[in-house]
Amino acid sequence: EAGVTQFPSHSVIEKGQTVTLRCDPISGHDNLYWYRRVMGKEIKFLLHFVKESKQDESGMPNNRFLAERTGGTYSTLKVQPAELEDSGVYFCASRHGGSEQFFGPGTRLTVL
Amino acid sequence: QKEVEQNSGPLSVPEGAIASLNCTYSDRGSQSFFWYRQYSGKSPELIMFIYSNGDKEDGRFTAQLNKASQYVSLLIRDSQPSDSATYLCAVIRWGGGTSYGKLTFGQGTILTVHP
Repeated sequence: EAGVTQFPSHSVIEKGQTVTLRCDPISGHDNLYWYRRVMGKEIKFLLHFVKESKQDESGMPNNRFLAERTGGTYSTLKVQPAELEDSGVYFCASRHGGSEQFFGPGTRLTVL
Repeated sequence: QKEVEQNSGPLSVPEGAIASLNCTYSDRGSQSFFWYRQYSGKSPELIMFIYSNGDKEDGRFTAQLNKASQYVSLLIRDSQPSDSATYLCAVIRWGGGTSYGKLTFGQGTILTVHP
């Protein structure tokens, strides 16, 4: 069974540009979570999808971040326009019925 | 006060010793407790979870939970150099109007096991 995949693994962009991160959860996992780790800080929750619906987006930093999950399959997280403080590692995780969340390898975003 | 606190370390132990990792949490409504291991540049990987007070053992790992003290620990027996990683403590408060299954993480403890 394939695990959670994320694309790209690294992204370097300039301040003001747009970046879109993608997450493919484990097939059949209805729950999809986005987290972010800023350097020197703990991993923090961004938002949670159940199928295609946003269950909780209380962790989204501001309206420059937009997440979608079309058809309840893969998800995208767009940052527009990117700011320096958006740099960090963005993790996606998926969960089926149990409590275990399976994490993807993360996307390291660097905003210059 | 952080919701989940861990000593960032680094914690250094010799090979074969017991490594003890500690975590405290502030939300008394937390119900599920997780230990993740993260190698540098890799994704967090679940090692153990615990829901009830007491000890839970799985191979060389033992998780301990004390809800009255709001304290969770992870013991690694017979530590190996391959155990060198960052260990993340995370908690979940199910329901209660919050996101179902949202993990709240500590900052992680860096463990180094030297030969």
